[in-house]
Amino acid sequence: GAVVSQHPSRVICKSGTSVKIECRSLDFQATTMFWYRQFPKKSLMLMATSNEGSKATYEQGVEKDKFLINHASLTLSTLTVTSAHPEDSSFYICSARVQLTNYGYTFGSGTRLTVV
Amino acid sequence: RKEVEQDPGPFNVPEGATVAFNCTYSNSASQSFFWYRQDCRKEPKLLMSVYSSGNEDGRFTAQLNRASQYISLLIRDSKLSDSATYLCVVIERGTYKYIFGTGTRLKVLA
Repeated sequence: GAVVSQHPSRVICKSGTSVKIECRSLDFQATTMFWYRQFPKKSLMLMATSNEGSKATYEQGVEKDKFLINHASLTLSTLTVTSAHPEDSSFYICSARVQLTNYGYTFGSGTRLTVV
Repeated sequence: RKEVEQDPGPFNVPEGATVAFNCTYSNSASQSFFWYRQDCRKEPKLLMSVYSSGNEDGRFTAQLNRASQYISLLIRDSKLSDSATYLCVVIERGTYKYIFGTGTRLKVLA
């Protein structure tokens, strides 16, 4: 149980375009999801906390207008990278908190974004 | 000072060796602790939670020292398949946010 599906797993896009990444909780309801990015050989950096039915909470230094987060249902959160630039190329991972457990969070399989 | 610190390694050990990693955290209000494993270009996967009393899962033992604000992971009888990056994770009291350590790379050599 507690599976989080993330797609696409890999995307290449041109500079200036927008890319949407989806994160779905398949067998549980996730009122809270988290979005991270990870650069090569670096740790995961929390970008924002996505709350169902309300605005996302962004970490300091993360541009909310560039990284649009929508959490319209209890099973789906999306991250849209707008007007992508090569420096946005990274590994983006979502995670969801399984309610009423202390088993840690479940992570999606990640999306490798390359902006050319 | 980083909130959660780990020695990045790599730790190169022969098969069968015992290896230990430490992780220090700066916020004494931290309440939950985990070790995750991440393989190259993959998502992190939960290895084990860390409890104050210490806990063991097969070849893996995790311990928490609240007074000194560090957690440890001990791997006995290392296997080639243990090669990965081990991430220390801390959740601060009153939040649900994971704070990741920088990760420690382990390479188990044949």
